[in-house]
Amino acid sequence: KAGVTQTPRYLIKTRGQQVTLSCSPISGHRSVSWYQQTPGQGLQFLFEYFSETQRNKGNFPGRFSGRQFSNSRSEMNVSTLELGDSALYLCASSSHDGSYEQYFGPGTRLTVT
Amino acid sequence: GEDVEQSLFLSVREGDSSVINCTYTDSSSTYLYWYKQEPGAGLQLLTYIFSNMDMKQDQRLTVLLNKKDKHLSLRIADTQTGDSAIYFCAESMRGGATNKLIFGTGTLLAVQP
Repeated sequence: KAGVTQTPRYLIKTRGQQVTLSCSPISGHRSVSWYQQTPGQGLQFLFEYFSETQRNKGNFPGRFSGRQFSNSRSEMNVSTLELGDSALYLCASSSHDGSYEQYFGPGTRLTVT
Repeated sequence: GEDVEQSLFLSVREGDSSVINCTYTDSSSTYLYWYKQEPGAGLQLLTYIFSNMDMKQDQRLTVLLNKKDKHLSLRIADTQTGDSAIYFCAESMRGGATNKLIFGTGTLLAVQP
């Protein structure tokens, strides 16, 4: 079974632009969560989707949004990029709501200049 | 409250055992996890333990849970240079059927040959 895939792997944007990151979960998995990893704040929860519905949201500004499609693929969008948005964005998938096994993708490294 | 703490750094010699410690604050956590992150990579799920268990062993890995003290540890037997990485403990917030994970700060394990 293929693992969690994230595209693109690396991205460079300038302040004020917007960006869309994509995550394809493991086949058959219906739950997708997103995390931001930075040296200063560590790993922080962004949001979680199950069956196209947002189940939970972290403490991030409204510039951060996401969605999930009927095939369980998920995208997250960050508008009006700021320097502080530079981070590794990680996606995790699990087979069902409340599953205790969550598998992470390799991440998308976003650099904002 | 949501807070997970780990020591920042651990150095061991190849062949020795490594013990990585973690403390958490939310007594309602039902699952506790250990993830490994190598440079430039995502998070690899190593093992997890249910909160009603005291110990779990999986090959070279042993997880101990002291629920009274909210203390979790990961013991790696016969540590190898390939075990050098950052190790994160995480607790799951299971209230309301969510997959949200709260991560610790991470422990950098350096294995000396």
